[in-house]
Amino acid sequence: DTGVSQDPRHKITKRGQNVTFRCDPISEHNRLYWYRQTLGQGPEFLTYFQNEAQLEKSRLLSDRFSAERPKGSFSTLEIQRTEQGDSAMYLCASTQGSSYEQYFGPGTRLTVT
Amino acid sequence: GEDVEQSLFLSVREGDSSVINCTYTDSSSTYLYWYKQEPGAGLQLLTYIFSNMDMKQDQRLTVLLNKKDKHLSLRIADTQTGDSAIYFCASPDGGATNKLIFGTGTLLAVQP
Repeated sequence: DTGVSQDPRHKITKRGQNVTFRCDPISEHNRLYWYRQTLGQGPEFLTYFQNEAQLEKSRLLSDRFSAERPKGSFSTLEIQRTEQGDSAMYLCASTQGSSYEQYFGPGTRLTVT
Repeated sequence: GEDVEQSLFLSVREGDSSVINCTYTDSSSTYLYWYKQEPGAGLQLLTYIFSNMDMKQDQRLTVLLNKKDKHLSLRIADTQTGDSAIYFCASPDGGATNKLIFGTGTLLAVQP
């Protein structure tokens, strides 16, 4: 257990539905990352928060995706109008200040049917 | 941008040493990482090495870095069945956010 938690661990949804995932980073960590991992691949960066500010978004993050970190603590990732191609593991990671050690949560596995 | 490559599969017998290899393209990488992922789980940070080091040892793990060839390796001594997992090499992208660029992962299968 790294101290980063994610909820839910698994989500099955029908195409076209909206889903929201939550990440709770290690409490003193001010930097938070979302990654997406598809089968047989390494994680790919989606977006980055420093405190409550979203400072970088990947081109992978289409208009259907939105992420927030309202008080600089937990973060949510919402996917609207899900598509089958959104099926993946969504991973959250956090780190503190200038540390290079990113600690990952267990992930949320999304299956879109 | 940074690109990280790994071989896909390695099979070893229990008790042998495992060597997992990785190549990267960005010579300015300050740190390089090894993560372990067990089935259905998140990523566990195993170890990392500063770019100004050649070697780092941590219990059964030895990391070797060849900056000239941009080659990183992870050696696991006395490999156990519990070491069976996917191992990812990762490098920061060099930007302000330190987002990580991962290889495709190497599946290590340990035969009893």
